[in-house]
Amino acid sequence: NAGVTQTPKFQVLKTGQSMTLQCAQDMNHNSMYWYRQDPGMGLRLIYYSASEGTTDKGEVPNGYNVSRLNKREFSLRLESAAPSQTSVYFCASSPPGQGGGYTFGSGTRLTVV
Amino acid sequence: DQQVKQNSPSLSVQEGRISILNCDYTNSMFDYFLWYKKYPAEGPTFLISISSIKDKNEDGRFTVFLNKSAKHLSLHIVPSQPGDSAVYFCAAISGSARQLTFGSGTQLTVLP
Repeated sequence: NAGVTQTPKFQVLKTGQSMTLQCAQDMNHNSMYWYRQDPGMGLRLIYYSASEGTTDKGEVPNGYNVSRLNKREFSLRLESAAPSQTSVYFCASSPPGQGGGYTFGSGTRLTVV
Repeated sequence: DQQVKQNSPSLSVQEGRISILNCDYTNSMFDYFLWYKKYPAEGPTFLISISSIKDKNEDGRFTVFLNKSAKHLSLHIVPSQPGDSAVYFCAAISGSARQLTFGSGTQLTVLP
Protein backbone atom coordinates (compact mmCIF):
# COMPACT_ATOMS: atom_id res chain seq x y z
CA ASN A 1 0.00 0.00 0.00
CA ALA A 2 1.17 3.54 -0.78
CA GLY A 3 2.13 5.57 2.24
CA VAL A 4 4.85 6.42 4.73
CA THR A 5 6.97 3.62 6.15
CA GLN A 6 8.94 4.04 9.36
CA THR A 7 11.52 1.69 10.84
CA PRO A 8 11.98 0.47 13.47
CA LYS A 9 8.61 0.36 15.25
CA PHE A 10 10.17 -0.01 18.70
CA GLN A 11 13.62 0.70 20.07
CA VAL A 12 15.26 0.80 23.49
CA LEU A 13 18.53 2.70 23.80
CA LYS A 14 20.94 3.31 26.62
CA THR A 15 21.84 6.90 27.43
CA GLY A 16 24.61 8.04 25.10
CA GLN A 17 23.92 5.54 22.35
CA SER A 18 23.17 6.70 18.83
CA MET A 19 20.61 5.55 16.31
CA THR A 20 18.90 6.55 13.09
CA LEU A 21 15.16 6.41 12.50
CA GLN A 22 14.33 5.68 8.90
CA CYS A 23 11.39 7.05 6.91
CA ALA A 24 10.40 6.48 3.30
CA GLN A 25 7.37 7.60 1.27
CA ASP A 26 6.22 6.38 -2.11
CA MET A 27 3.70 9.12 -2.94
CA ASN A 28 6.17 11.40 -4.73
CA HIS A 29 5.63 14.08 -2.08
CA ASN A 30 8.01 17.02 -1.96
CA SER A 31 7.85 17.79 1.76
CA MET A 32 8.71 15.52 4.66
CA TYR A 33 8.57 16.04 8.41
CA TRP A 34 9.64 14.52 11.72
CA TYR A 35 7.41 15.00 14.77
CA ARG A 36 7.58 13.72 18.31
CA GLN A 37 4.53 13.02 20.44
CA ASP A 38 4.67 13.33 24.20
CA PRO A 39 1.79 13.00 26.69
CA GLY A 40 -0.15 16.25 27.07
CA MET A 41 1.91 18.03 24.44
CA GLY A 42 0.53 16.87 21.12
CA LEU A 43 2.89 16.51 18.19
CA ARG A 44 5.85 18.86 18.00
CA LEU A 45 7.88 19.43 14.86
CA ILE A 46 11.54 18.44 15.10
CA TYR A 47 12.79 19.02 11.54
CA TYR A 48 11.26 19.31 8.12
CA SER A 49 12.39 19.18 4.52
CA ALA A 50 10.40 21.28 2.06
CA SER A 51 12.09 19.62 -0.90
CA GLU A 52 14.92 17.28 -1.75
CA GLY A 53 18.21 18.80 -0.67
CA THR A 54 16.80 21.19 1.93
CA THR A 55 16.19 20.77 5.65
CA ASP A 56 15.05 23.21 8.34
CA LYS A 57 14.65 23.19 12.09
CA GLY A 58 11.26 22.94 13.67
CA GLU A 59 10.13 23.66 17.21
CA VAL A 60 12.32 21.12 19.06
CA PRO A 61 15.47 20.35 17.01
CA ASN A 62 18.06 20.10 19.79
CA GLY A 63 19.72 16.69 20.03
CA TYR A 64 18.67 15.63 16.54
CA ASN A 65 20.02 15.70 13.01
CA VAL A 66 18.29 14.86 9.75
CA SER A 67 19.21 13.82 6.24
CA ARG A 68 17.02 14.10 3.16
CA LEU A 69 18.74 11.32 1.27
CA ASN A 70 16.55 11.63 -1.83
CA LYS A 71 12.95 12.53 -2.57
CA ARG A 72 11.68 9.34 -0.92
CA GLU A 73 13.76 9.14 2.24
CA PHE A 74 14.14 11.38 5.28
CA SER A 75 16.07 10.05 8.26
CA LEU A 76 16.31 11.30 11.84
CA ARG A 77 19.49 10.71 13.85
CA LEU A 78 20.06 10.84 17.57
CA GLU A 79 23.81 11.18 18.09
CA SER A 80 23.82 10.74 21.87
CA ALA A 81 20.46 9.65 23.20
CA ALA A 82 19.10 11.15 26.43
CA PRO A 83 16.13 10.03 28.57
CA SER A 84 14.34 13.28 27.54
CA GLN A 85 14.22 11.87 24.01
CA THR A 86 11.96 9.03 25.11
CA SER A 87 8.93 9.61 22.89
CA VAL A 88 6.93 8.38 19.94
CA TYR A 89 8.33 9.68 16.68
CA PHE A 90 6.23 10.21 13.57
CA CYS A 91 7.38 10.87 10.06
CA ALA A 92 5.02 12.54 7.61
CA SER A 93 4.99 13.73 4.03
CA SER A 94 2.87 16.15 2.03
CA PRO A 95 2.49 17.38 -1.54
CA PRO A 96 2.79 21.09 -2.39
CA GLY A 97 -0.11 23.28 -1.31
CA GLN A 98 -2.45 22.94 1.65
CA GLY A 99 -1.43 20.79 4.60
CA GLY A 100 -4.47 18.57 4.47
CA GLY A 101 -2.43 16.16 2.39
CA TYR A 102 -0.14 15.18 5.28
CA THR A 103 0.30 11.41 5.46
CA PHE A 104 1.83 10.02 8.64
CA GLY A 105 3.74 6.84 9.28
CA SER A 106 2.71 4.52 12.10
CA GLY A 107 5.41 5.79 14.44
CA THR A 108 8.54 4.63 16.26
CA ARG A 109 8.29 4.19 20.01
CA LEU A 110 11.71 5.04 21.46
CA THR A 111 12.71 4.50 25.07
CA VAL A 112 16.03 5.81 26.38
CA VAL A 113 17.13 4.31 29.69
CA ASP B 1 3.69 28.94 24.69
CA GLN B 2 1.22 26.70 22.89
CA GLN B 3 -0.25 28.41 19.85
CA VAL B 4 -2.95 25.76 19.43
CA LYS B 5 -4.76 24.66 22.56
CA GLN B 6 -7.19 21.84 23.26
CA ASN B 7 -8.24 22.39 26.83
CA SER B 8 -10.23 19.17 27.26
CA PRO B 9 -7.95 16.14 27.51
CA SER B 10 -10.93 13.79 27.34
CA LEU B 11 -14.60 13.62 26.37
CA SER B 12 -17.16 10.83 26.78
CA VAL B 13 -20.35 10.72 24.73
CA GLN B 14 -23.18 8.23 24.31
CA GLU B 15 -23.51 6.51 20.95
CA GLY B 16 -25.89 8.41 18.66
CA ARG B 17 -25.36 11.74 20.43
CA ILE B 18 -23.32 14.70 19.23
CA SER B 19 -19.62 14.99 20.06
CA ILE B 20 -18.19 18.51 20.17
CA LEU B 21 -14.43 18.92 20.34
CA ASN B 22 -13.01 22.38 20.86
CA CYS B 23 -9.79 24.11 19.91
CA ASP B 24 -8.43 27.61 20.49
CA TYR B 25 -5.51 29.33 18.82
CA THR B 26 -3.47 32.42 19.47
CA ASN B 27 -1.60 33.06 16.21
CA SER B 28 -3.67 35.29 13.93
CA MET B 29 -1.42 34.32 11.01
CA PHE B 30 -2.88 30.81 10.86
CA ASP B 31 -4.81 30.54 7.61
CA TYR B 32 -5.79 26.89 7.44
CA PHE B 33 -7.05 24.53 10.11
CA LEU B 34 -7.28 20.77 10.23
CA TRP B 35 -8.48 17.95 12.43
CA TYR B 36 -6.63 14.67 12.64
CA LYS B 37 -7.78 11.45 14.23
CA LYS B 38 -5.41 8.99 15.88
CA TYR B 39 -5.93 5.42 16.99
CA PRO B 40 -3.45 3.71 19.35
CA ALA B 41 -0.26 2.44 17.68
CA GLU B 42 -1.13 4.24 14.44
CA GLY B 43 -0.16 7.56 12.91
CA PRO B 44 -2.64 10.46 12.78
CA THR B 45 -4.98 10.45 9.81
CA PHE B 46 -6.49 13.54 8.22
CA LEU B 47 -10.18 14.02 8.98
CA ILE B 48 -11.41 17.43 7.84
CA SER B 49 -10.09 20.94 7.23
CA ILE B 50 -11.24 24.51 6.84
CA SER B 51 -9.75 27.60 5.28
CA SER B 52 -9.73 30.83 7.25
CA ILE B 53 -11.98 32.42 4.63
CA LYS B 54 -14.81 30.06 5.57
CA ASP B 55 -16.74 29.54 8.78
CA LYS B 56 -18.04 26.02 8.21
CA ASN B 57 -17.07 22.88 6.36
CA GLU B 58 -19.05 19.66 6.35
CA ASP B 59 -18.12 16.11 5.37
CA GLY B 60 -20.67 13.47 6.19
CA ARG B 61 -21.01 13.15 9.96
CA PHE B 62 -18.18 15.62 10.55
CA THR B 63 -18.52 19.41 10.57
CA VAL B 64 -15.86 21.94 11.48
CA PHE B 65 -16.80 25.45 12.55
CA LEU B 66 -14.39 28.37 12.61
CA ASN B 67 -14.91 31.59 14.59
CA LYS B 68 -12.02 33.84 13.58
CA SER B 69 -12.92 36.70 15.88
CA ALA B 70 -12.80 34.36 18.88
CA LYS B 71 -9.85 32.37 17.47
CA HIS B 72 -11.85 29.22 18.07
CA LEU B 73 -12.76 26.18 16.08
CA SER B 74 -14.81 23.14 16.87
CA LEU B 75 -15.42 19.70 15.42
CA HIS B 76 -18.93 18.26 15.57
CA ILE B 77 -19.55 14.57 15.06
CA VAL B 78 -23.19 13.59 14.54
CA PRO B 79 -24.20 10.90 15.26
CA SER B 80 -21.27 9.61 17.28
CA GLN B 81 -20.31 5.97 16.80
CA PRO B 82 -18.12 3.67 18.94
CA GLY B 83 -15.59 3.55 16.07
CA ASP B 84 -15.09 7.30 16.52
CA SER B 85 -13.32 6.64 19.82
CA ALA B 86 -9.82 7.99 19.26
CA VAL B 87 -7.58 10.96 20.04
CA TYR B 88 -8.47 14.02 17.99
CA PHE B 89 -5.84 16.62 17.24
CA CYS B 90 -6.53 20.14 16.09
CA ALA B 91 -3.81 21.61 13.85
CA ALA B 92 -3.11 24.90 12.10
CA ILE B 93 -0.90 26.17 9.29
CA SER B 94 0.75 29.48 8.57
CA GLY B 95 3.57 30.69 6.41
CA SER B 96 5.10 29.51 3.20
CA ALA B 97 6.65 26.40 4.73
CA ARG B 98 3.17 25.05 5.48
CA GLN B 99 4.14 22.97 8.47
CA LEU B 100 1.46 21.96 10.96
CA THR B 101 1.24 23.18 14.56
CA PHE B 102 -0.73 20.71 16.67
CA GLY B 103 -2.81 20.97 19.79
CA SER B 104 -2.34 18.50 22.64
CA GLY B 105 -5.26 16.31 21.63
CA THR B 106 -8.62 15.23 23.08
CA GLN B 107 -9.39 11.58 23.79
CA LEU B 108 -12.97 10.92 22.63
CA THR B 109 -14.74 7.87 24.00
CA VAL B 110 -18.09 6.96 22.48
CA LEU B 111 -20.00 4.67 24.81
CA PRO B 112 -22.30 2.02 23.30
